Amino acid sequence: DAKTTQPPSMDCAEGRAANLPCNHSTISGNEYVYWYRQIHSQGPQYIIHGLKNNETNEMASLIITEDRKSSTLILPHATLRDTAVYYCIVVSEMDSNYQLIWGAGTKLIIKP
Amino acid sequence: DSGVTQTPKHLITATGQRVTLRCSPRSGDLSVYWYQQSLDQGLQFLIHYYNGEERAKGNILERFSAQQFPDLHSELNLSSLELGDSALYFCASSFISGGAVTDTQYFGPGTRLTVL
Repeated sequence: DAKTTQPPSMDCAEGRAANLPCNHSTISGNEYVYWYRQIHSQGPQYIIHGLKNNETNEMASLIITEDRKSSTLILPHATLRDTAVYYCIVVSEMDSNYQLIWGAGTKLIIKP
Repeated sequence: DSGVTQTPKHLITATGQRVTLRCSPRSGDLSVYWYQQSLDQGLQFLIHYYNGEERAKGNILERFSAQQFPDLHSELNLSSLELGDSALYFCASSFISGGAVTDTQYFGPGTRLTVL
């Protein structure tokens, strides 16, 4: 089972900030939070990742709570091209295996 | 464009047949991962290769196998195909072995397999 919980869908007006929440209450100390998105059956696209501190890149910002049990992905000025399914993934390494467990994600619809 | 290529883009075949999907990683990447995505489902991790060696297995059926060649491209072989194998198959590549949790994966455009 996925280690994260996300709302199944969200709407956002074009030009506004889109804030996508993710709960990962069982995250352990050495696990990272990654965000990917998938635009209509295309290959998933890496957005951002973080461990403890907030992160920002040219695509988005990632805000991680102090207890690390939840995070928020922020798309500062959403455009119609940001309509996609957004996946929040906790990346863990179990023994010698590398597990990447994807949940159902949040379907973000940007409305004009 | 992620730099990861996959061929073919579409594949239609019949039950019981065998197919091979091909993936070329980004230049310099040593790891290749395979994922299956059934209709309206999330991605299921199948298998991970690093520099020619298998590193991790996920929910991969015994009818499926993969390998990574010396030039680092990878092939996913699906045999005795069933209707339920119809799905999108993605490969991803990364530079780090996968033992590091900061391993960012870059995905190809996928192969859509339809089994009739």
